[in-house]
Amino acid sequence: DSGVTQTPKHLITATGQRVTLRCSPRSGDLSVYWYQQSLDQGLQFLIQYYNGEERAKGNILERFSAQQFPDLHSELNLSSLELGDSALYFCASGPRDSTITDTQYFGPGTRLTVL
Amino acid sequence: QKEVEQDPGPLSVPEGAIVSLNCTYSNSAFQYFMWYRQYSRKGPELLMYTYSSGNKEDGRFTAQVDKSSKYISLFIRDSQPSDSATYLCASGATMNTGFQKLVFGTGTRLLVSP
Repeated sequence: DSGVTQTPKHLITATGQRVTLRCSPRSGDLSVYWYQQSLDQGLQFLIQYYNGEERAKGNILERFSAQQFPDLHSELNLSSLELGDSALYFCASGPRDSTITDTQYFGPGTRLTVL
Repeated sequence: QKEVEQDPGPLSVPEGAIVSLNCTYSNSAFQYFMWYRQYSRKGPELLMYTYSSGNKEDGRFTAQVDKSSKYISLFIRDSQPSDSATYLCASGATMNTGFQKLVFGTGTRLLVSP
């Protein structure tokens, strides 16, 4: 158990809908990272937040947005969902102002299915 | 052509064998190279990273980067059944815009039999 929690575990929704995925980092960690893992695209880095501010941006679609709140939990919002958005979404947290090459602790993931 | 290519495997070896996992990349701008291990139904965990050509060792694991040939390797000595997992290589660079370009290989599934 990494100490990172993600909710919900599974999410099934329809095309065109909007969903919110939630992540709570490990106690004391200030950085949160979001990743998408799908069968055809593999693992992709989406975005990093550090202490409430966007720190690094990866391959994140404009339909997706994220934020980190004062209590350090983070939410990933996915809108206008398409079939291709079906994937496992991981959140990871890192200590202090970690960079992408620092050790990250991954949560168990949220499996999103878009029908 | 994908920017990071990795053989999906599976690669099956007996316990105690030396394992060689490989990736190639095509983007000369990549500055750092990483290896992740992912057990079934779990998130990935960072094993090693390096910024330069050459070898980096950590216990039974050695990461090797050859920037001239754009080749990345991970060697596992004295492999154990607990090493059975999917290994993902990744290459990345920080762009001038702050955009973090990080590209993962599709992963190689390793099976170590007792």
